[in-house]
Amino acid sequence: QVQLVQSGAEVKKPGASVKVSCEASGYTFTKYYIHWVRQAPGQGLQWMGMINPSGGGTTYTQKFQGRVTMTRDTSTSTVYMDLSSLDSEDTAVYFCARDSGGSGNYYFDFWGPGTFVTVSS
Amino acid sequence: QSALTQPASVSGSPGQSITISCTGTSSDVGTYNLVSWYQQHPGEAPRLIIYEVTKRPSGVSYRFSGSKSGNTASLTISGLRAEDEADYFCCSYAGRSSYVVFGGGTKLTVL
Repeated sequence: QVQLVQSGAEVKKPGASVKVSCEASGYTFTKYYIHWVRQAPGQGLQWMGMINPSGGGTTYTQKFQGRVTMTRDTSTSTVYMDLSSLDSEDTAVYFCARDSGGSGNYYFDFWGPGTFVTVSS
Repeated sequence: QSALTQPASVSGSPGQSITISCTGTSSDVGTYNLVSWYQQHPGEAPRLIIYEVTKRPSGVSYRFSGSKSGNTASLTISGLRAEDEADYFCCSYAGRSSYVVFGGGTKLTVL
């Protein structure tokens, strides 16, 4: 069965970086894009970007350009999301989610459980 | 401020039907049939319940249905049950400028 397992909660200070992992199993890793979506406490969902696990190509939304880096390790079927220059507004749950259609249907059939990142001094 | 506009809350009694609207623009909902809907219970990840405007994934109840007219998509839940109480989010592809946009979410209360 398809599973996305994410790394544990993080507490970071303003200005620091955080790296969240998302390990996929139960399907062919390289055939489905992975997206990252975040949700601030009590707020809605915000799309951050996506990575093609096959070639490693990435697309980021403009809001996070220059601050986010998505990478993948095909040997462990894991994708990573690195967010730098953190501030309090980055406090949120970060979800990885699989693109249902593989390479660009832009809807998400399987989600990770989320990783709570707290940014506090 | 979210790109797609949803009502903050809706409510209904068990057995009734409710509809949640999701208003976008001609750059997203109005142009692409890549509207999806997600159900989210507190503390959980979102769950896909509708994709490509009207389609239901395997395992999702027939009580959930989707539609679209112009720049507005809608989710209808019929035969409300207590377990339907959750937050619902719409989502649309928005072309290569914004790619993916979400609604702000609607809290459904089953009275």
